[in-house]
Amino acid sequence: GEDVEQSLFLSVREGDSSVINCTYTDSSSTYLYWYKQEPGAGLQLLTYIFSNMDMKQDQRLTVLLNKKDKHLSLRIADTQTGDSAIYFCAESNDYKLSFGAGTTVTVRA
Amino acid sequence: KAGVTQTPRYLIKTRGQQVTLSCSPISGHRSVSWYQQTPGQGLQFLFEYFSETQRNKGNFPGRFSGRQFSNSRSEMNVSTLELGDSALYLCASSSTGTSGRAGEQFFGPGTRLTVL
Repeated sequence: GEDVEQSLFLSVREGDSSVINCTYTDSSSTYLYWYKQEPGAGLQLLTYIFSNMDMKQDQRLTVLLNKKDKHLSLRIADTQTGDSAIYFCAESNDYKLSFGAGTTVTVRA
Repeated sequence: KAGVTQTPRYLIKTRGQQVTLSCSPISGHRSVSWYQQTPGQGLQFLFEYFSETQRNKGNFPGRFSGRQFSNSRSEMNVSTLELGDSALYLCASSSTGTSGRAGEQFFGPGTRLTVL
């Protein structure tokens, strides 16, 4: 199956941490990705994790992968107003990516 | 390296017309994929090209077609446009090789197509 699910909205105060959650169904996915989309723009690859890893950290971003539960999360530390965007979780299904519906993150002052 | 470029950025067409969108991948990338993004269906895979050959195709009607040139640039064509074809069309470039497995995919800014 190729279903990726995410919560639709997240509101966070500036300076706090944001956590965006995602569940996927294809246990054979090799890579799992997080993309960011700002209004009127394309998709920006934020980070990705290989399926044999549990965690990956990249500056303010931390990705956690629970392969048993098929659960992926993205933590953004010290969230800034520039982090307001839609965040997409995606899994690789062989030759293509399957995306979730996206989580709209709103950062409030 | 320059990123993925797509032209045009915006298009307005009427029903029944056809349209051609262009994508130039990152230099050295031989795989180009196309996705359609709509509010109702989200992001859906259209097709993928590698070395001028369509390797994979999503679940779209035959009105959607594409091609890739020897310099890896790709075009997609939609014929007999319908209102439901209004969408953001995104192109993604990847260095994936002959294995065909999706690796890092870098997206362009997209072409916003409006069908009236």
